[in-house]
Amino acid sequence: NAGVTQTPKFQVLKTGQSMTLQCAQDMNHNSMYWYRQDPGMGLRLIYYSASEGTTDKGEVPNGYNVSRLNKREFSLRLESAAPSQTSVYFCASSEPRALSYEQYFGPGTRLTVT
Amino acid sequence: AQSVTQPDIHITVSEGASLELRCNYSYGATPYLFWYVQSPGQGLQLLLKYFSGDTLVQGIKGFEAEFKRSQSSFNLRKPSVHWSDAAEYFCAVGAGLTGGGNKLTFGTGTQLKVEL
Repeated sequence: NAGVTQTPKFQVLKTGQSMTLQCAQDMNHNSMYWYRQDPGMGLRLIYYSASEGTTDKGEVPNGYNVSRLNKREFSLRLESAAPSQTSVYFCASSEPRALSYEQYFGPGTRLTVT
Repeated sequence: AQSVTQPDIHITVSEGASLELRCNYSYGATPYLFWYVQSPGQGLQLLLKYFSGDTLVQGIKGFEAEFKRSQSSFNLRKPSVHWSDAAEYFCAVGAGLTGGGNKLTFGTGTQLKVEL
C-alpha cells in the first residue's frame, strides 16, 4: 500500500516550457487535490477533483490545468511555465464519505522555473 | 470563508522541555481541525484531528491538542520534546466543497527547532 505517489520528485524548467506532474493513489479515494507550497504561505489549493470525471478550481488555478484520468490518477499540467510557478507541489486524496475530511499527502514535487 | 492563523513563525525549545504551538481558526460552523507535520523534504503527515466529541484529542508521537470553541483555538502540545520533533507544523481547518470533496485551509506553519 503505497498511499499517494507523485512523479517526478524534482524538475527544472525554463520559462515557457510545459510539463505534467503525475499523481496516483491506491486507497480507492474518490477525491483528489493539488496544492502548492510556498515559503511563509502554507499550502494553497490549485485544483481538486471531488470524484472521477469532475474537476474544479481552487484558490490559485491560473496557469494550470488538470486531468482526472481515472479514479486513481490526477495530473497537473503547466502549459507555459513561469518563474512564479516555482514551488513545491503536493497531491492529496481523501474519501469524503468518511466524514472526517482527512487528506493524505504525497511526498511532493519540487519545481524550479528559470 | 474559513481561515487559520499560526502566530508563531519560528519556535525554539530545548530537548525535554514542553511545547505548545498556537492555532486560531475562523469558521462559521463546527470545524474539522487538523495538525500536520512536515519534516524537511517530506510530505505532510497527519498528527491528529478533531471533528466532534472530546475536545482533548491525542495523536501520534505523543502529541495532543485541545479544541476551545470560545477561543477559536486548537493548540498543539507535547509534554517533552525530542530532537526528532524538529520540523514544520501546520494547522488546518476543513470544510466541504460545492460539488463534493472537502477543502483544507492551512495556516502558514510554525517551524520548530529543538536545541540539544
